[in-house]
Amino acid sequence: QQQVKQSPQSLIVQKGGISIINCAYENTAFDYFPWYQQFPGKGPALLIAIRPDVSEKKEGRFTISFNKSAKQFSLHIMDSQPGDSATYFCAASSYNNNDMRFGAGTRLTVKP
Amino acid sequence: DSGVTQTPKHLITATGQRVTLRCSPRSGDLSVYWYQQSLDQGLQFLIQYYNGEERAKGNILERFSAQQFPDLHSELNLSSLELGDSALYFCASSQTGETYNEQFFGPGTRLTVL
Repeated sequence: QQQVKQSPQSLIVQKGGISIINCAYENTAFDYFPWYQQFPGKGPALLIAIRPDVSEKKEGRFTISFNKSAKQFSLHIMDSQPGDSATYFCAASSYNNNDMRFGAGTRLTVKP
Repeated sequence: DSGVTQTPKHLITATGQRVTLRCSPRSGDLSVYWYQQSLDQGLQFLIQYYNGEERAKGNILERFSAQQFPDLHSELNLSSLELGDSALYFCASSQTGETYNEQFFGPGTRLTVL
């Protein structure tokens, strides 16, 4: 079932530092790779997403790096803030199948 | 607030029972998705409906079923409940049923099976 592997399971970063979360996938049919942010007691919310025709996508402090040949993608959070403390999930799906597969999640704590 | 509403917020029931979870999508959204989030299985896609029709199916058990009504709200029915069904159940909606369309998640229903 698990087709997307996410690491690390938890991450502690100082305020202002860079948070990096990595994901690897198996299914080469995947062509949509979103990242979700989830705060306690809330549903996941889309943070940023990428398709494999680009190697990097940046939105504000959040950047996705994508390596198609290695079947890996990562989320970089620059200038991490305490408000970024949440659980982050990577996911993958393919255009002809909305069966989205999620990573196990990374609990990020940003210390002031 | 995503605009997606789910009821009830919490549900406690016994093994063998049947429950119905309800979801109202954002105004204008035609597609509804159901997900299960548990400690051991993580976040799993269950099923998607688009404008009343089933569009995609994930790891949904035969004891579970869903439907989307003409007013676009959706219900997830869970029957013959087992302890392992205890989880958070999320509904999400999107404007279209396309993969690249952003999904907006509701606050979830926490199901506890005793």
